[in-house]
Amino acid sequence: TQLLEQSPQFLSIQEGENLTVYCNSSSVFSSLQWYRQEPGEGPVLLVTVVTGGEVKKLKRLTFQFGDARKDSSLHITAAQPGDTGLYLCAGAGDSNYQLIWGAGTKLIIKP
Amino acid sequence: KAGVTQTPRYLIKTRGQQVTLSCSPISGHRSVSWYQQTPGQGLQFLFEYFSETQRNKGNFPGRFSGRQFSNSRSEMNVSTLELGDSALYLCASSRTGGRLNTEAFFGQGTRLTVV
Repeated sequence: TQLLEQSPQFLSIQEGENLTVYCNSSSVFSSLQWYRQEPGEGPVLLVTVVTGGEVKKLKRLTFQFGDARKDSSLHITAAQPGDTGLYLCAGAGDSNYQLIWGAGTKLIIKP
Repeated sequence: KAGVTQTPRYLIKTRGQQVTLSCSPISGHRSVSWYQQTPGQGLQFLFEYFSETQRNKGNFPGRFSGRQFSNSRSEMNVSTLELGDSALYLCASSRTGGRLNTEAFFGQGTRLTVV
C-alpha cells in the first residue's frame, strides 16, 4: 500500500517568515502534485512535478521532487496571510490511476 | 471553460435517511472521483468512475454508492445516514488518459450535516 506522510501537520508563523512543508513516502511515484485548500472550498492544484530532482517555482513558492521520486517539499519565502490554508500533496502511483493523498499541513500566517 | 460543479452546496438530513449528491465534471474529462473530508482526516477516497465504470474503490461501507452517466456526470448516494457521515463531500474530475493526466480539479463540495 502506498502512503504519503506530510509534516508538519500544523504550522502557525508570522508574516514574512520562511517555511518548508514535507511530503514523504517509501514508495516511488510517477508524479506528485501539491494543492491548497481554503475553508469550505475544494483543493486547488498548485503544481505537478514529474522528474526526479525537478524544482518548480510559483512566485514565492518553490516545489521540489526528490531524486528518487519518493518525497517532495514545498518552501514558501516571506509568507503572507494569503498563503493561509491546508496544503495537500498527492502522488500518482505506477499501478493505477488513483491519486494517493497526504493528510495535509494546515498553515496559518499571522499578520 | 466551466469548472467542476457540485450540487447542492449544503444539505441537512436526518439519521436514517438517504441522500444523493451530484457532480458535473469539466467538459472533456472522463474520470470522476469522490472524496469524504472531515476535520483532521484529510481526503478519504470513496470511489472513481471512468466511462461509466467504477475503476477504483476506497474502504467505505456499501451504504456509499455511485454511478456515472454517459455524459460523465456522476452521482453519489449514501443510504441509511449516520451521524458520522457528516462531512464535506468533494468531487474531482480529471482527463485521465494516462499516468500524467491524473491532475484533479475539484468542485466546491457538498457540506452534508446529519442530525
